[in-house]
Amino acid sequence: EDQVTQSPEALRLQEGESSSLNCSYTVSGLRGLFWYRQDPGKGPEFLFTLYSAGEEKEKERLKATLTKKESFLHITAPKPEDSATYLCAVQATGGTSYGKLTFGQGTILTVHP
Amino acid sequence: GAVVSQHPSRVICKSGTSVKIECRSLDFQATTMFWYRQFPKKSLMLMATSNEGSKATYEQGVEKDKFLINHASLTLSTLTVTSAHPEDSSFYICSAIPTFLSSGNTIYFGEGSWLTVV
Repeated sequence: EDQVTQSPEALRLQEGESSSLNCSYTVSGLRGLFWYRQDPGKGPEFLFTLYSAGEEKEKERLKATLTKKESFLHITAPKPEDSATYLCAVQATGGTSYGKLTFGQGTILTVHP
Repeated sequence: GAVVSQHPSRVICKSGTSVKIECRSLDFQATTMFWYRQFPKKSLMLMATSNEGSKATYEQGVEKDKFLINHASLTLSTLTVTSAHPEDSSFYICSAIPTFLSSGNTIYFGEGSWLTVV
């Protein structure tokens, strides 16, 4: 069974204080690892898809990295508007699994001015 | 970018009635859509896979007679909660994969629909 565990559950940062969110996963075969941002009462907003160990992707203050067992979402010099819940999800290989995502419980990020 | 729209965004219904939630892909065709459920401060749990022109595939523990899914076109999937009860109150979210992306992997989510059963 595919499993995704995110840590920490909640993270409070001061504006400008860089940090990382962790996503550990176990999956029979990885088709892709996804990072989403979710604001309260909204659907997840797509950030990144990573496919293989060693891959990195960046978008503004966010950088996602992937190893064979975990992914990190690095936040550099965060701003209050980066406050949100960040979700990690895996998509397994296999015909019946295409498009199905297994989500972690999320990390609630709060950035104080 | 690709957009997935859900309607209604919020709905309140009486216990015992049925309510329909629509999920539309606005600028792409989606052979496959997915329905998730999210409880407050919890993560998304997959309920079912909706396939255009065929029956939906439900995850273990999800009552297919209670959560009716119809995917009548390449841009529309509907979730009908039948005989709703207060425990069905939740945030329902759909996702869609663009058909034209054979190996690409950007999965888009709708804005979600809040269902409150009173």
